[in-house]
Amino acid sequence: GAGVSQTPSNKVTEKGKYVELRCDPISGHTALYWYRQSLGQGPEFLIYFQGTGAADDSGLPNDRFFAVRPEGSVSTLKIQRTERGDSAVYLCASSLTGTSGGVDEQFFGPGTRLTVL
Amino acid sequence: GQNIDQPTEMTATEGAIVQINCTYQTSGFNGLFWYQQHAGEAPTFLSYNVLDGLEEKGRFSSFLSRSKGYSYLLLKELQMKDSASYLCAANTDKLIFGTGTRLQVFP
Repeated sequence: GAGVSQTPSNKVTEKGKYVELRCDPISGHTALYWYRQSLGQGPEFLIYFQGTGAADDSGLPNDRFFAVRPEGSVSTLKIQRTERGDSAVYLCASSLTGTSGGVDEQFFGPGTRLTVL
Repeated sequence: GQNIDQPTEMTATEGAIVQINCTYQTSGFNGLFWYQQHAGEAPTFLSYNVLDGLEEKGRFSSFLSRSKGYSYLLLKELQMKDSASYLCAANTDKLIFGTGTRLQVFP
């Protein structure tokens, strides 16, 4: 596609429910990142995929959060037993190679605004 | 630890020049990104500095001093559409973002 797309754009759920957030990266990009952004804050790193594997999941806050990228393209961020504190904008980004040390610009999607009531 | 500091808010007038500073302390450092983010939209790439010095790109320039852990973004000939948040991010194999500087440009 032309850019990174994310669905849904908005998700309202109740405390304790399960949600899935989807990210479609730019075609051909091997690296995919998930971030969480609260109001007035910068994006906070959650997890990074290189191909199908999670290369770094150190930013996932706890075991209620899980992400997959089974075919190395689309990724799904899964949140179990949602809590009010999970309310935020969840951003997905992709880059061509994901290698450090060089200019590997991350292209961001529009985000999914998650509201937990 | 990882720490990125930038001012929370700045204001400026149309046509002026503004400098947004960013200091960082990170374990590991490959370079420094600047992103622009309009309200309710995704961040968009502005610049990436790996080496010390100034990089100019049209109305926007970015400076890096690795020894001082310091960068700035310089915006010239400000326009109303430059009102946005400007995010500084250290590349440590993953991006560590600052809280962003909300810039308001007044006529």
